[in-house]
Amino acid sequence: NAGVTQTPKFQVLKTGQSMTLQCAQDMNHNSMYWYRQDPGMGLRLIYYSASEGTTDKGEVPNGYNVSRLNKREFSLRLESAAPSQTSVYFCASRRTADPYNEQFFGPGTRLTVL
Amino acid sequence: GDSVTQMEGPVTLSEEAFLTINCTYTATGYPSLFWYVQYPGEGLQLLLKATKADDKGSNKGFEATYRKETTSFHLEKGSVQVSDSAVYFCALSASGGSYIPTFGRGTSLIVHP
Repeated sequence: NAGVTQTPKFQVLKTGQSMTLQCAQDMNHNSMYWYRQDPGMGLRLIYYSASEGTTDKGEVPNGYNVSRLNKREFSLRLESAAPSQTSVYFCASRRTADPYNEQFFGPGTRLTVL
Repeated sequence: GDSVTQMEGPVTLSEEAFLTINCTYTATGYPSLFWYVQYPGEGLQLLLKATKADDKGSNKGFEATYRKETTSFHLEKGSVQVSDSAVYFCALSASGGSYIPTFGRGTSLIVHP
């Protein structure tokens, strides 16, 4: 079991470039999430997918889009990167959206936008 | 809306000291409560959880008790080690809507030999 995997681990972009962050889980989980982590801000939810075929905005969705490609994969796209999107991005999954289920996190993607 | 408040860090302790990290919450209904730990350069991982009032979660010497009357879920450990140095996040998942987890801002723990 690899758990939750994320690619790439590190990325440097120039302002205006686009990229897609990939996330996959092999635990047959229904729910998946994208967060960003900034110093002093904790975790902020960007988008989530409660189940395959659905996606919803979180706290900070502006500048991002997501695709729930199938039950395993949930990608995050930056169409036109900005320096304010410099952050560490974490993908997480949860067996179901029931409140007693914990989340499983990937190792993160460290993104720098110049 | 739901919220989680954690004590600000960093918390700096000597090895074998007693640890308490305070966490209080506001939520509708009866949330499930979690502590996650993040080691340097890694993602978060579940440390312990409690899903109903008076439950005690425990793992790796850490404990936390779900106190509904004080809306608290304080993390404790009797004797910390250098390897416990990490950032600790308190979180809740409320019993309503899409159950989106709400996280505290994290508390950094530094343990010196």
